[in-house]
Amino acid sequence: EPEVTQTPSHQVTQMGQEVILRCVPISNHLYFYWYRQILGQKVEFLVSFYNNEISEKSEIFDDQFSVERPDGSNFTLKIRSTKLEDSAMYFCASSALDPPDEQYFGPGTRLTVT
Amino acid sequence: SQQGEEDPQALSIQEGENATMNCSYKTSINNLQWYRQNSGRGLVHLILIRSNEREKHSGRLRVTLDTSKKSSSLLITASRAADTASYFCATAWNYGGSQGNLIFGKGTKLSVKP
Repeated sequence: EPEVTQTPSHQVTQMGQEVILRCVPISNHLYFYWYRQILGQKVEFLVSFYNNEISEKSEIFDDQFSVERPDGSNFTLKIRSTKLEDSAMYFCASSALDPPDEQYFGPGTRLTVT
Repeated sequence: SQQGEEDPQALSIQEGENATMNCSYKTSINNLQWYRQNSGRGLVHLILIRSNEREKHSGRLRVTLDTSKKSSSLLITASRAADTASYFCATAWNYGGSQGNLIFGKGTKLSVKP
């Protein structure tokens, strides 16, 4: 069964460093998302991406964040200068339908900023 | 802002019993979805119910939606130890250019004892 994959599973970085989180959505899906979950808290929407551009973004998704679909399979989230409060589990999701419906989530990347 | 809020926050039952979790939200929705998360893992989609539906079944899962009360319930019948996980409701609305980003609740932590 097709699934969303994410790499790495765990990333440790120092404050101020740039990180790139990678996702491979399900191949025939059209809509892509990033969410994050700070330990013990809710899953929060960050950004949605469709037709090679950002569709929506939340207040969390400030200028330090960017997304890209550099080729036909990868979908990346970049954090330019990480802060301690960026430590969280980051989930990528994708959806096939138009309008988007059921979202399929990846296993997540745990980002630890020290 | 639109939010899903689940109750109870934690639920402990014996194997074979039924588990009921509730979710309330604040604004109009396109659909409501339930997800499961095993500790430290990704989110698994369980079931989606649209705003014009009142009840939906999938295996041992039964979901109801009451749009007048802005609430939903998830019933897991004949629970198993493997059902132990956190369960989240997530609401989506589709308006103007919205691409279905999900707003998650805080979740109900279900523990099923063998």
